[in-house]
Amino acid sequence: EPEVTQTPSHQVTQMGQEVILRCVPISNHLYFYWYRQILGQKVEFLVSFYNNEISEKSEIFDDQFSVERPDGSNFTLKIRSTKLEDSAMYFCASRRGQVDGAEAFFGQGTRLTVV
Amino acid sequence: KQEVTQIPAALSVPEGENLVLNCSFTDSAIYNLQWFRQDPGKGLTSLLLIQSSQREQTSGRLNASLDKSSGRSTLYIAASQPGDSATYLCAVMDYGQNFVFGPGTRLSVLP
Repeated sequence: EPEVTQTPSHQVTQMGQEVILRCVPISNHLYFYWYRQILGQKVEFLVSFYNNEISEKSEIFDDQFSVERPDGSNFTLKIRSTKLEDSAMYFCASRRGQVDGAEAFFGQGTRLTVV
Repeated sequence: KQEVTQIPAALSVPEGENLVLNCSFTDSAIYNLQWFRQDPGKGLTSLLLIQSSQREQTSGRLNASLDKSSGRSTLYIAASQPGDSATYLCAVMDYGQNFVFGPGTRLSVLP
């Protein structure tokens, strides 16, 4: 069964460093998302991506963050100058399209720990 | 701004019981609603998707209903098993086609 895959599963980084979280969405999907979940809190929307550009972003998604689909298969989230409060589980999701393709599939997440 | 709440926050039941998890949302202008399961430290597994035009969806022992006008959805789990222990999240997709998640209900099914 097709699935969304994320790498790495766990990333530890020093405060101030840059990290890149990687995702391979399901191959025939067109809509891509990043969400995050701080420990013990709700899953929060970060950004959505369609047709090779950002569709929508939340207030969390400021200049520290960027997304890219560099090669037509991978979907990456870059976090610059990481802060302690960026520690969270980051989830990538994809879905095929509207109506019948509306079901979203999530990856297993990357646990980011900023020390 | 869409707000999603879930009641109860936690639930503990003996094995074999039928149970209902509740989800409420403030803005009825939704595209669909999806229920997820999350095991501790793990990702989100899709359980059921209900389109805004639908009233319910069933998958095995799970049945989800949607009353869009009143801003409510329920997830019914029949004959609960210890393996059902997890956190259950509901999420509504707004017309911007992004999900807004509830805080989840943490379910423990005791053998």
